[in-house]
Amino acid sequence: GAVVSQHPSRVICKSGTSVKIECRSLDFQATTMFWYRQFPKQSLMLMATSNEGSKATYEQGVEKDKFLINHASLTLSTLTVTSAHPEDSSFYICSAPPRGLSEAFFGQGTRLTVV
Amino acid sequence: AQSVTQPDIHITVSEGASLELRCNYSYGATPYLFWYVQSPGQGLQLLLKYFSGDTLVQGIKGFEAEFKRSQSSFNLRKPSVHWSDAAEYFCAVSYSGAGSYQLTFGKGTKLSVIP
Repeated sequence: GAVVSQHPSRVICKSGTSVKIECRSLDFQATTMFWYRQFPKQSLMLMATSNEGSKATYEQGVEKDKFLINHASLTLSTLTVTSAHPEDSSFYICSAPPRGLSEAFFGQGTRLTVV
Repeated sequence: AQSVTQPDIHITVSEGASLELRCNYSYGATPYLFWYVQSPGQGLQLLLKYFSGDTLVQGIKGFEAEFKRSQSSFNLRKPSVHWSDAAEYFCAVSYSGAGSYQLTFGKGTKLSVIP
């Protein structure tokens, strides 16, 4: 099956710093990738849709200037949490749909802790 | 807007007992339906999915689910639970059209298994 790799799996950063999370499709090309956030004991909420070569589409209530998304190639999307604060601590997970398939595959997720 | 309801937040069953996790969705057209499992600190693993055709779908790890249009339900079942099935289970739905990879998740059902 298709493989989506997310890196890092865990990161701890200081408040005010920025953190970059990578999402890679290892054996297929993905013109679209999706970023979700999961707070403790909550469900996953779609944050944004990452589009290769164009601007990301953000869901209502998600600050685009805080969560910068770059989809520079057909196999890589990055999510940068800028000026991170403790309330940004969460589990971030990406997904990508292989062309021709009707489902998206998920990365392993990134546990972000802001101290 | 589409929504997914998982009425049971936490279910505890004995090993070897049968299991049914409930899922109801709210959507005007025929949805794509999914069940995912998430172990602690891990990403999501797809158990099974329904797009069309036979309303009883078989998945991995001995799980099955039945799509009932009249009840707007997609309940997950397993005849005999194993201790390794203890995890969080998420039901999800997507549009059956453009952008069909964006998932709306239920809040999840945590499954505990008594040895």
